[in-house]
Parts: sequence; structure tokens; C-alpha cells
Amino acid sequence: EVQLVEAGGGLVQPGGSLRLSCSASGFTFRSHSVYWVRQSPGKGLEYVSGINGRQNVMNYADSVRGRFTISRDNSKNTLFLQMSRLRPEDTAIYYCLKARHSDYESIDYPPFDHWGQGALVTVSS
Amino acid sequence: DIQMTQSPSTLSASVGDTITITCRASQSISNCLAWHQQKPGEAPKVLIFQASNLESGVPSRFSGSGYGTEFTLTITSLQPDDFATYYCQQYCSYLRTFGQGTKVEI
Repeated sequence: EVQLVEAGGGLVQPGGSLRLSCSASGFTFRSHSVYWVRQSPGKGLEYVSGINGRQNVMNYADSVRGRFTISRDNSKNTLFLQMSRLRPEDTAIYYCLKARHSDYESIDYPPFDHWGQGALVTVSS
Repeated sequence: DIQMTQSPSTLSASVGDTITITCRASQSISNCLAWHQQKPGEAPKVLIFQASNLESGVPSRFSGSGYGTEFTLTITSLQPDDFATYYCQQYCSYLRTFGQGTKVEI
């Protein structure tokens, strides 16, 4: 059974930093792209970032590029999101997701097939 | 960015009804379209991918159709467990985008 478990959420002041992690199990982690999507009351569901299994392709939404960094540790089946220069508008539940298809199937933009339970990040003074 | 627009925003229905939710893309997305279901206090769950393919374990009363810019999610014989918010989402570019959601309420 696929499981994605986020951790590291919390309250942080504007301008601060926070690192989220997502522990994955139930699939061959190193072979799949994984992603972060966030959900806030004001902006709905918003794609944040993605990274492929080989860690040589990463992408970001314009709203976080230059402030957030995605990474992964395939030896520990863990995805990370390092968030810096946080703003109140970054307040959201952050979800970890996996691609339905292995990277070896050479699908440019595969659909998601599993969501984690989410981690709440609150940026406020 | 590809914009996704759902209608209606809210839909009132009764158990046993058949309902349809529409999703429109701002440009053609072929069949790169997924539907997600979210219940209050829970993470979303993938229902459908590739416009019409049901995820494993999703009841057959759910169906999806469409191609290009217009898509629909239909739920036949609505069950109490189906009252939730539904989101469409395109994955034809790296910047996946979601519709604003359709809340199905009693």
C-alpha cells in the first residue's frame, strides 16, 4: 500500500524558514517523480514544485521560485521542501504527491495517483 | 498557465440523483485531465485520470468524459459518501493547475 506521510509543518514568522519532509513507502521511490501541492482557503489547490527520480529535473511555481527548494533522498525514501523567506500568503496545507507512472515510462507529465495527508504551515507574526 | 474553470461552484442534490460537473480548460489539454474528491478535514483523493479512467477502487457510479477543452464528471445514483468537493486538474504541462472546486451538498 502506498503511503506518503508529511512532517515538519508549524507556525513560523514572516521571513522565516521551514523544512517539510515526506516519507514514502509502498512503491519504488527512486523510480517516481514526486511533488508538492498546497491548499489555502484563498487560493484553492496550487502546484508548488516537482522533482524526478534522478533529481536532475526540478520545477517550481512562479510564486515560490527562488524561495523554495525541492530535494529528495532516495536512500531514505524521503522528499523535502525547504521553504525560505516565507510570506503570510504561503500559509497553507502542503501535500506530497507521487506520479502514477515510473520515470522509465518516459511520460513528460504523468498524472498523480496518491496524496499524503498534508502538513499545515502557518506564516504569521 | 492553463486555467481550469468548473461549474457549478455548488450543487445541491439528493441521494439517488445523477449529477454532472463541468470543467473547461483555457486551451486544449487533450485528455490530460484528472478528477479529485475531497471530504471535509481530509486530503484529496484521485478518482479519475486521463479524463475517463477510474482509479482502482473507485465505484463505477463515477464516470468521466471529454477531450480538448471540455470535460465532465458524472455521478449516477448519488450515495451519502459522495457528498464532497470535487476538483478537476490538468497535467498537460509541468505547472499542473486545478479548478476552483464544486461542492456537492445535500
